[in-house]
Amino acid sequence: GEDVEQSLFLSVREGDSSVINCTYTDSSSTYLYWYKQEPGAGLQLLTYIFSNMDMKQDQRLTVLLNKKDKHLSLRIADTQTGDSAIYFCAESPYSSASKIIFGSGTRLSIRP
Amino acid sequence: GAGVSQSPSNKVTEKGKDVELRCDPISGHTALYWYRQSLGQGLEFLIYFQGNSAPDKSGLPSDRFSAERTGGSVSTLTIQRTQQEDSAVYLCASSLGGGDEKLFFGSGTQLSVL
Repeated sequence: GEDVEQSLFLSVREGDSSVINCTYTDSSSTYLYWYKQEPGAGLQLLTYIFSNMDMKQDQRLTVLLNKKDKHLSLRIADTQTGDSAIYFCAESPYSSASKIIFGSGTRLSIRP
Repeated sequence: GAGVSQSPSNKVTEKGKDVELRCDPISGHTALYWYRQSLGQGLEFLIYFQGNSAPDKSGLPSDRFSAERTGGSVSTLTIQRTQQEDSAVYLCASSLGGGDEKLFFGSGTQLSVL
């Protein structure tokens, strides 16, 4: 079935890089997404990658996709306090383009 | 509007009562989604609309849950005879549709069933 898994917590020192990992099960997924949720707010699309790509970079964000292992990662360079949030990985299975499947989210906390 | 708007932002109700949650999507977005987020959990898919029709209702937890969308715009999620396990944040999202699945989320309705 369709499933997306992430670790629940990550703690990083300010200025270091954060790497948030995600695994998914549907090999036919067309798009994979990273969303950010700040306290009391809805989710905000951060970035996404099409399944025929293996890397996408957008300023401090780097997305890596390993299709063989069904592994997606989000790297945030020079992590700042404003990056504290919950990060959700999501996939758009080809079999059901209407239903975006989300992981449980990784809570990123920044320590000084 | 400028973004997805949900109302109310908070709703406290007694067990057994019915509640209605409203979502105003971004103007021009044909696709609309409802998700539920329980404390410490990920997003649980509830239902998806393309225009006014709902091709995917697979996530509705029980027949106490229903949703409709009128005029290809506003959607209402109704929960009848609420139970304590219905307590969660209900998130609405919209997208352009037609294969563009980038979702824009509202801030959610925090539902508390006492």
